Amino acid sequence: DIQMTQSPSTLSASVGDRVTITCRASQSISSWLAWYQQKPGKAPKLLISKASSLESGVPSRFSGSGSGTEFTLTISSLQPDDFATYYCQQYDNYSWTFGQGTKVEIK
Amino acid sequence: EVQLVETGGGLIQPGGSLRLSCAASGFTVSSNYMGWARQAAGKGLEWVSVIYGAAGTYYIDSVKGRFTISRDNSKNTLYLQLNSLRAEDTAVYYCARAAAGTSFFDYWGQGTLVTVSS
Repeated sequence: DIQMTQSPSTLSASVGDRVTITCRASQSISSWLAWYQQKPGKAPKLLISKASSLESGVPSRFSGSGSGTEFTLTISSLQPDDFATYYCQQYDNYSWTFGQGTKVEIK
Repeated sequence: EVQLVETGGGLIQPGGSLRLSCAASGFTVSSNYMGWARQAAGKGLEWVSVIYGAAGTYYIDSVKGRFTISRDNSKNTLYLQLNSLRAEDTAVYYCARAAAGTSFFDYWGQGTLVTVSS
């Protein structure tokens, strides 16, 4: 299976900060990448699919970019509701893998 | 409204078996890719199994030969049969639905806890 590596593992930031999380695939996955947000005790929430397509209802401060092996999730102005753990997830040839997660903490 | 409700978790001894169920409403399970992901306490998410198309299946290597994913279209329910359970299978198991025509999962259940311990 394709391995996904996220960085950083933990990120400390303040409300209003611009935040960027990176996800690297062990081989090219074109644009078959999604980003999820998870809060403690809750199921993941799909934010972005196909690397850059924002899901309905997700605030426009979230954006995704990249293709091939390198991808980024950007939060343009961090809000109190955004403190959570973020996971990338790839799809390739009928296999699925998550990254290890990035926890966004209050600075 | 799309809803997914998992049941079947619990405490089971190593080597035992469980069947998880995921009752779906608001769509038909045969029309979308459906999957199970799990999360051990304090750890990240891990895809366990996905069912797609007519009968295609994916399993993570660590559960191949022990877990079986299936669906009952008449009951609109997804299942995960867990056999030969190990301590490392202890986790919250989530059922999820992929958006139509995609491989990305837009609806998730609330999760059911499986604890493997003697």
